[in-house]
Amino acid sequence: AQSVSQHNHHVILSEAASLELGCNYSYGGTVNLFWYVQYPGQHLQLLLKYFSGDPLVKGIKGFEAEFIKSKFSFNLRKPSVQWSDTAEYFCALPTGNSGGYQKVTFGTGTKLQVIP
Amino acid sequence: KAGVTQTPRYLIKTRGQQVTLSCSPISGHRSVSWYQQTPGQGLQFLFEYFSETQRNKGNFPGRFSGRQFSNSRSEMNVSTLELGDSALYLCASNDGTLSGELFFGEGSRLTVL
Repeated sequence: AQSVSQHNHHVILSEAASLELGCNYSYGGTVNLFWYVQYPGQHLQLLLKYFSGDPLVKGIKGFEAEFIKSKFSFNLRKPSVQWSDTAEYFCALPTGNSGGYQKVTFGTGTKLQVIP
Repeated sequence: KAGVTQTPRYLIKTRGQQVTLSCSPISGHRSVSWYQQTPGQGLQFLFEYFSETQRNKGNFPGRFSGRQFSNSRSEMNVSTLELGDSALYLCASNDGTLSGELFFGEGSRLTVL
């Protein structure tokens, strides 16, 4: 069965600090991976995704993530965080069954608090 | 274009009652999936519909059911409500492919007393 682990549940950083949020997955099939973000009071939205090709993917607002197959990881990074990055971040793994799509397994989320 | 719309946004029910939640996907999206979001469990997959057919379902009891209409609108129903069903129920739509981004609604926050 597929699974996604996010080990950092709550991260507190000062503005301008660098960010790395961990995501590890377990799945035996073709891997697609997403990072979603939920800003306070807003709906979940896509930050970036890995489908195939270049393992280093860039997303919105200066975020990037690197897919490392040998480590089953897809960590999210940002060189310098801003107060507006305060949000909850979810790593997600979409998988299909014999009937087609579609199940997306989400990690439990990491709450990022950026202190001005 | 309009986003994913969920109704109602908030509702309060008592144990034993049932509830129906509605979701209108983005125009052109034929896949609608439902998730339960709670502080301790994160987002848990309930089920996914594509062209009125349930293609996948999560590990929830039979009290949780859903359906999709020919216009891709979807409803989910929870019968015999329990206190533990209190959660934010999220609906998401996409083009039905594994690489397709999920577009989420604002959610329906259910409180069971």
